[in-house]
Amino acid sequence: EVQLEESGGGLVQPGGSLRLSCAASGFTVSSIYMSWVRQAPGKGLEWVSIIYRGGSTYSAGSVKGRFTISRDNSKNTLYLQMDSLRTDDTAVYYCARGGDSLPFDSWGQGTLVTVSS
Amino acid sequence: QSALTQPRSVSGSPGQSVTISCTGTSSDVGGYSYVSWYQHHPGKAPKLIIYDVTKRPSGVPDRFSGSKSGNTASLTISGLQAEDEADYYCCSYAGSFVVFGGGTKLTVL
Repeated sequence: EVQLEESGGGLVQPGGSLRLSCAASGFTVSSIYMSWVRQAPGKGLEWVSIIYRGGSTYSAGSVKGRFTISRDNSKNTLYLQMDSLRTDDTAVYYCARGGDSLPFDSWGQGTLVTVSS
Repeated sequence: QSALTQPRSVSGSPGQSVTISCTGTSSDVGGYSYVSWYQHHPGKAPKLIIYDVTKRPSGVPDRFSGSKSGNTASLTISGLQAEDEADYYCCSYAGSFVVFGGGTKLTVL
């Protein structure tokens, strides 16, 4: 059974950093595209970043240069390093299997990131 | 990277059918056959219900169907049930990134 479990969310001040983790089971994260998707309070879903099978990455313009997606194949875990956080980065962050031309066929339960002073 | 346009809300009675539209451009919805739909109950993980415009993942009832015409994709839910009450999001490939719709809240009366 495919499972994704996020962790690492919390309260951080503007300008601060946070690293989210997504532990995967039932498949290997290096075998397929993996993405982060977020949902700000009262807003819709927004795609954030993708890491491809070969390791290349791509991010939305709103986070480019501030967020970095990566993975640890030995731990079968996906990461999102978030730097220079802003108040409008406040959201529930989901890791999801898929992205690009592939549907998001499995999602984690999400982890809440709150950026506030 | 503008969001796809969905109605903010739709409603229907049990047993009825509802259709949710998702309008984009020729650079996303109209340009590719990679439109997907997600059901999201607040506080839970979103669930894939339609992919590649018309395909249903295993386990999704055939009450859910998808279609596309030009730059507009549609999700139709027939035989509405109380548990269908949720938020629904469309998503389209846009050539190196994906874009979501703003979401539609479905109320089952």
